[in-house]
Amino acid sequence: GAVVSQHPSRVICKSGTSVKIECRSLDFQATTMFWYRQFPKQSLMLMATSNEGSKATYEQGVEKDKFLINHASLTLSTLTVTSAHPEDSSFYICSARQKDTQYFGPGTRLTVL
Amino acid sequence: DAKTTQPPSMDCAEGRAANLPCNHSTISGNEYVYWYRQIHSQGPQYIIHGLKNNETNEMASLIITEDRKSSTLILPHATLRDTAVYYCIVRGINTGGFKTIFGAGTRLFVKA
Repeated sequence: GAVVSQHPSRVICKSGTSVKIECRSLDFQATTMFWYRQFPKQSLMLMATSNEGSKATYEQGVEKDKFLINHASLTLSTLTVTSAHPEDSSFYICSARQKDTQYFGPGTRLTVL
Repeated sequence: DAKTTQPPSMDCAEGRAANLPCNHSTISGNEYVYWYRQIHSQGPQYIIHGLKNNETNEMASLIITEDRKSSTLILPHATLRDTAVYYCIVRGINTGGFKTIFGAGTRLFVKA
């Protein structure tokens, strides 16, 4: 089946640093990838949609300059949280589209100290 | 995308069928019904989807009413590992509107 991986699975960083999270579709090519974040005991919130080779489309309220998304190839998308602060601590989940279904990665837990 | 309504939580005995309902009364003709589940601290897992016919795969069955305003996900023999939050999502598949928006879902507790 369709497999999506994320790296790292867990990251702890100091306030003010930038963190990059990678998302890969392992056995299929994904023209569209998505990034979500999830706070404890809440549902997933869509942050942005990215298409390979073009700029990402951000959801309302998501700062594009803070959450940089690069969809460099059909199997790789990256999310960079710039100048991270403790309020950015969250569970970040990527997703990739294959035909008419989205498949999700295992998530990356970011803790900003 | 159409909104869905799910009960916040349900219990099920291990080995019994778990029937998870979902209302989507404003669904439009070209929108599919998708089900995902999320086990604690993991990414969502795709379960099944359908348009208007009932669907079955190795994980579950999806029953969609004839008017398509509601559906039921059936886990035929629930195990403790099926304890998770189950999300019912209605979504079109055209390129412009293809993105999954999650509601609150149903928290299923499978008990021994």
